[in-house]
Amino acid sequence: NAGVTQTPKFQVLKTGQSMTLQCAQDMNHEYMSWYRQDPGMGLRLIHYSVGAGITDQGEVPNGYNVSRSTTEDFPLRLLSAAPSQTSVYFCASRRLRGNQPQHFGDGTRLSIL
Amino acid sequence: DAKTTQPTSMDCAEGRAANLPCNHSTISGNEYVYWYRQIHSQGPQYIIHGLKNNETNEMASLIITEDRKSSTLILPHATLRDTAVYYCIVRAHSGNTPLVFGKGTRLSVIA
Repeated sequence: NAGVTQTPKFQVLKTGQSMTLQCAQDMNHEYMSWYRQDPGMGLRLIHYSVGAGITDQGEVPNGYNVSRSTTEDFPLRLLSAAPSQTSVYFCASRRLRGNQPQHFGDGTRLSIL
Repeated sequence: DAKTTQPTSMDCAEGRAANLPCNHSTISGNEYVYWYRQIHSQGPQYIIHGLKNNETNEMASLIITEDRKSSTLILPHATLRDTAVYYCIVRAHSGNTPLVFGKGTRLSVIA
């Protein structure tokens, strides 16, 4: 079982560059979300989606765009990268109904110079 | 803001039970208590969750007080591989509600 797959695992960008972080899940989960984790800190929610075509903002959405065209994929876009976006990004998914646990990917480590 | 309070760090001797406390005094009737852990820089891993009854699975036990204002995660025989940051999270039953992480407890299991 692949679970939640994030690509790439590592990326270095220059300030102002754009990039898309990919997230795919093969569990047919309706709910998907993106978090960022800065050094020594907990996870902060960026955006989430409860199904294809539906997205909503989390705690720290500025500087990030998302879309959900399929159940399986939930890409995160940085339109103009800034050094403050240097972080580890985690994607997660779960069933929407009930109290199902959330499954996390292994993360994308992003450095912006 | 996270709705839970946890100690910043704890130590536990290998082979002993690790008891991680969590205060959630403002929990409402439809909110569950979830525990996740994060080993080093990996993605968080689900451990266990409960509403009001004590719960046990292959990883841990969850003890929730009768008034539901606090809970304890118990790792019965801690190993070095249990060294991680443990997050206690309360979340409503509604499917749309996201998980909100606090800073968690850093558990160090010592040989």
